[in-house]
Amino acid sequence: EVQLVESGGGLVQPGGSLRLSCAASGFSFSTYWMSWVRQAPGKALEWVANIKLDGSEKYYVDSVKGRFTISRDNAENSLFLHMNSLRAEDTAVYYCARGGSRFFDSWGQGSLVTVSS
Amino acid sequence: QSALTQPRSVSGSPGQSVTISCTGTSSDVGGYNYVSWYQLHPGKAPRFMIYDVTKRPSGVPDRFSGSKSGNTASLTISGLQAEDEADYYCCSYAGSYTLVFGGGTKLTVL
Repeated sequence: EVQLVESGGGLVQPGGSLRLSCAASGFSFSTYWMSWVRQAPGKALEWVANIKLDGSEKYYVDSVKGRFTISRDNAENSLFLHMNSLRAEDTAVYYCARGGSRFFDSWGQGSLVTVSS
Repeated sequence: QSALTQPRSVSGSPGQSVTISCTGTSSDVGGYNYVSWYQLHPGKAPRFMIYDVTKRPSGVPDRFSGSKSGNTASLTISGLQAEDEADYYCCSYAGSYTLVFGGGTKLTVL
């Protein structure tokens, strides 16, 4: 069974940093694109970033370019999202999702990030 | 990277059919056959319902079907059931390995 478990969310001040992690199990992690998708309170889903199988290519939504970095550790079956210069509008539930080149076929339960002073 | 357009809400009675539209542009929905659909129940992980416009992952009932015409994709749910009440989101590939979601549609089963 595919499992994706996010961790690392919490309350952070504007301008601060946070690192989200996603522990993957139940599938061959290194053979899948992986992604982060977020949902702000009362808002729609928004694709944030994705990363190719070997980590050689990474893509981002315009609003996070230069501030967020997606990475992966295939040896540890883990996906990460490093978030810097956080803003109030980054407040959201962040989902780890398998896929991202065309669709997302498995999702985690999400990790809440709140940016507030 | 503008969001795709979905109706804010749709509704139907048990047993009826409903269709949710998802309108984009020739740079996303109209340009690729890579539209997917997701079901969100409050407090639960999103569920993968449709991919590549018309394909159903294993385990998704055949009451759910997808289609596309031009820049508009659609999700049709036939034989509505109470458990279908949820938020539904479309998503399209938008080129250069980027993806864009719709604004979401709340389905109410009357």
